[in-house]
Amino acid sequence: GQNIDQPTEMTATEGAIVQINCTYQTSGFNGLFWYQQHAGEAPTFLSYNVLDGLEEKGRFSSFLSRSKGYSYLLLKELQMKDSASYLCAVRDVFSGNTPLVFGKGTRLSVIA
Amino acid sequence: DADVTQTPRNRITKTGKRIMLECSQTKGHDRMYWYRQDPGLGLRLIYYSFDVKDINKGEISDGYSVSRQAQAKFSLSLESAIPNQTALYFCATRRQGRQETQYFGPGTRLLVL
Repeated sequence: GQNIDQPTEMTATEGAIVQINCTYQTSGFNGLFWYQQHAGEAPTFLSYNVLDGLEEKGRFSSFLSRSKGYSYLLLKELQMKDSASYLCAVRDVFSGNTPLVFGKGTRLSVIA
Repeated sequence: DADVTQTPRNRITKTGKRIMLECSQTKGHDRMYWYRQDPGLGLRLIYYSFDVKDINKGEISDGYSVSRQAQAKFSLSLESAIPNQTALYFCATRRQGRQETQYFGPGTRLLVL
């Protein structure tokens, strides 16, 4: 089975940096995805990690440590529009054709 | 035009009614999925399909059925709707390949009275 944990809620200030953590336990591992979801809207893809290390994409970066079953999403220069839920999702290597398993998401509030 | 569309976008129905939610995609992806999302529970998988002849149950398939009418169409049915099926339903598609992300439709908000 798979277990994915994320903090339920976080608050950060406009212009600051925030780190959203995700820990996972899977029987295998075949990649980790981060999605952003604004209230009432569809999730949209942010990043993909399959090897250890940091992937940078503009203001967003995602880090993976496979040995620790740990990932984080780093958001820099926060803007009000970054207020959303951030979903961590994992694909299991032994069921590589199966869909992603999602964490419950972290609701981020950006305040002025 | 949206690549993944869902109809209807909102639906109110009564307990015991049969309803169908439809999903269409123009992305040419072979894999399609149905999820439901509830506050505090995240996205949970109902059914998924790798092609027209391949249908698989997800985590919470009881009370639901699906039909893959064509590569581009994947429908979700609630045979006899009950109030705890009130949720936001998302369809998603994906191309084969481990690094390929899932693309989500805009969602259907369903209320069962």
